[in-house]
Amino acid sequence: AQSVTQLDSQVPVFEEAPVELRCNYSSSVSVYLFWYVQYPNQGLQLLLKYLSGSTLVKGINGFEAEFNKSQTSFHLRKPSVHISDTAEYFCAVRINNQGGKLIFGQGTELSVKP
Amino acid sequence: GAGVSQSPSNKVTEKGKDVELRCDPISGHTALYWYRQSLGQGLEFLIYFQGNSAPDKSGLPSDRFSAERTGGSVSTLTIQRTQQEDSAVYLCASSLEAGRTNTEAFFGQGTRLTVV
Repeated sequence: AQSVTQLDSQVPVFEEAPVELRCNYSSSVSVYLFWYVQYPNQGLQLLLKYLSGSTLVKGINGFEAEFNKSQTSFHLRKPSVHISDTAEYFCAVRINNQGGKLIFGQGTELSVKP
Repeated sequence: GAGVSQSPSNKVTEKGKDVELRCDPISGHTALYWYRQSLGQGLEFLIYFQGNSAPDKSGLPSDRFSAERTGGSVSTLTIQRTQQEDSAVYLCASSLEAGRTNTEAFFGQGTRLTVV
């Protein structure tokens, strides 16, 4: 069975500091990897995705993530965060032969303080 | 439409009542997904449609939950005899085609269901 683990439920950080949100996955078949962001009382918005090719993926709002197959990780990073980045972040995998459904991690609440 | 539309945005219902949640996907999107977001459970897959067919309904928690999609467009998630543990945010997403490689799922803003 496939699963996604987000290692930190909450990450507090000061504005302009770097941040890394960790994600590990488990799957016996090939997967596609995604990071979504959810602002308060909003739906999910796609930040970035890894389908194939370069393992370093750049997304919106200055975020990037690196796919590491040997460590089955897909950590999200930003070199300098803003107050507006305060939100919940979800890592997800899409199983290639299961109709496109997403399996999500538990989420990481990023709190950026001035 | 411009995005995935869900209604109502909020629903408070009494325990034991039936509720219907509606999802209007992006025009032209043939795949539609339902997820549930609740405290302690995170985001759980419920069911997906390709057209009007539901190839995978493995995430529906019990036989009180059902969903249908008509005309390859609007979908309705029905919860019968609601229980307090059904309280959650129900999210709908749509994409061009289920399982298509380079496609993105777009999410609605969700329906917050509270069972009292």
